Amino acid sequence: DTGVSQDPRHKITKRGQNVTFRCDPISEHNRLYWYRQTLGQGPEFLTYFQNEAQLEKSRLLSDRFSAERPKGSFSTLEIQRTEQGDSAMYLCASSTQYGGPGGHEQFFGPGTRLTVL
Amino acid sequence: DAKTTQPPSMDCAEGRAANLPCNHSTISGNEYVYWYRQIHSQGPQYIIHGLKNNETNEMASLIITEDRKSSTLILPHATLRDTAVYYCIDRPYGGSQGNLIFGKGTKLSVKP
Repeated sequence: DTGVSQDPRHKITKRGQNVTFRCDPISEHNRLYWYRQTLGQGPEFLTYFQNEAQLEKSRLLSDRFSAERPKGSFSTLEIQRTEQGDSAMYLCASSTQYGGPGGHEQFFGPGTRLTVL
Repeated sequence: DAKTTQPPSMDCAEGRAANLPCNHSTISGNEYVYWYRQIHSQGPQYIIHGLKNNETNEMASLIITEDRKSSTLILPHATLRDTAVYYCIDRPYGGSQGNLIFGKGTKLSVKP
């Protein structure tokens, strides 16, 4: 399967614990995005990388959240001192930088569902 | 915040065409219309995009009005597997804006 993969698919943790999620993009894609989705809402943008550079961060990305993409391939999203409000689906997507006018279609992974007890 | 407005839900009979409307009241000249869908428990999936001409691919057709203030996604022969939440999104030309801004979308239920 050459699509976007995410690990783990499900994570249950206790409030105050740290969690880390991994995303492996499509291999030839140099852009990688993180989104968060709560029940009944559309995905909300968190941050994105072009190669290893983090180019944009949403105001939703509080100080407890950090994302990395050290070699421009896979990415990790860490949440420190989790809170119940962090319970959500965390989605990763990837795309090319070069897609022609209106291109840059984003391919999404299956997501990691986080439950904070 | 999302710039588009969509009805929260729609029903469609299996085998019939599903026509999903979207209003783009504030779309600017350099923005394309994108459609994605999200089947339950999966990540969103790209469907189609267009600027001002009607577009068709193997999944759907996209009709954009001349003033570009509204669009319609057409699934010509809906199947049960098309049951999903459908999102329309305005996005700048060339993808210079990295992220997609999703609204709540339209929940399409295809019924046998």
